[in-house]
Amino acid sequence: EIVLTQSPGTLSLSPGERATLSCRASQSVNSNYLAWYQQKPGQAPRLLIYGASNRATGIPDRFSGSGSGTDFTLTISRLEPEDFAVYYCQQYGSSPQYTFGQGTKLEIK
Amino acid sequence: QVQLVESGGGLVKPGGSLRLSCAASGFTFSDYHMSWIRQAPGKGLEWVSYISSSGRTIDYADSVKGRFTISRDNASYLQMNSLRAEDTAVYYCARVRYSYGYGFDYWGQGTLVTVSS
Repeated sequence: EIVLTQSPGTLSLSPGERATLSCRASQSVNSNYLAWYQQKPGQAPRLLIYGASNRATGIPDRFSGSGSGTDFTLTISRLEPEDFAVYYCQQYGSSPQYTFGQGTKLEIK
Repeated sequence: QVQLVESGGGLVKPGGSLRLSCAASGFTFSDYHMSWIRQAPGKGLEWVSYISSSGRTIDYADSVKGRFTISRDNASYLQMNSLRAEDTAVYYCARVRYSYGYGFDYWGQGTLVTVSS
């Protein structure tokens, strides 16, 4: 089973700053099958990035993804107030079919 | 617009059963694979089960294998048997987007399952 470890657990930043979130896999992941989600309190998750670096429909271009192999990154170039949420990475392709990271909470400093 | 609406959650005793449903609208349901994902209170996301568009390919997380059964017709279903306290969670159904690397591009609002005596 591929384990995804996200860091940091909590990230405290101010609006306008740049956020860098990490997702490390216990073994190599096909980057075509690496996604990022945003979840706000009381809401369902929302797909942000698929295929490691492709923005889903309607996602602002301040969100970007990168990485390959075992190391992946979600970057938010300039934080807006609505970006403070929990972020999850997820991979597909290994049994079990899907695994999620434990999440990074992005909070206002 | 794409909508997924879960129903069937509630309070059930350990060892009991529940059947969750996921009603879909706004897209051709038979063209898409579907999944169930759950989130225990205050915890992260855990994938539960997957069913292909045809219904021929099915998979489960080890934590629910042998107890849960996924199915579909014009909706998606999750039959949950031998429920345990650790199955307590909000259960989401989600659409699987093949062209998005099998990512989950639409989610329902979730239905809460509480397993307690």
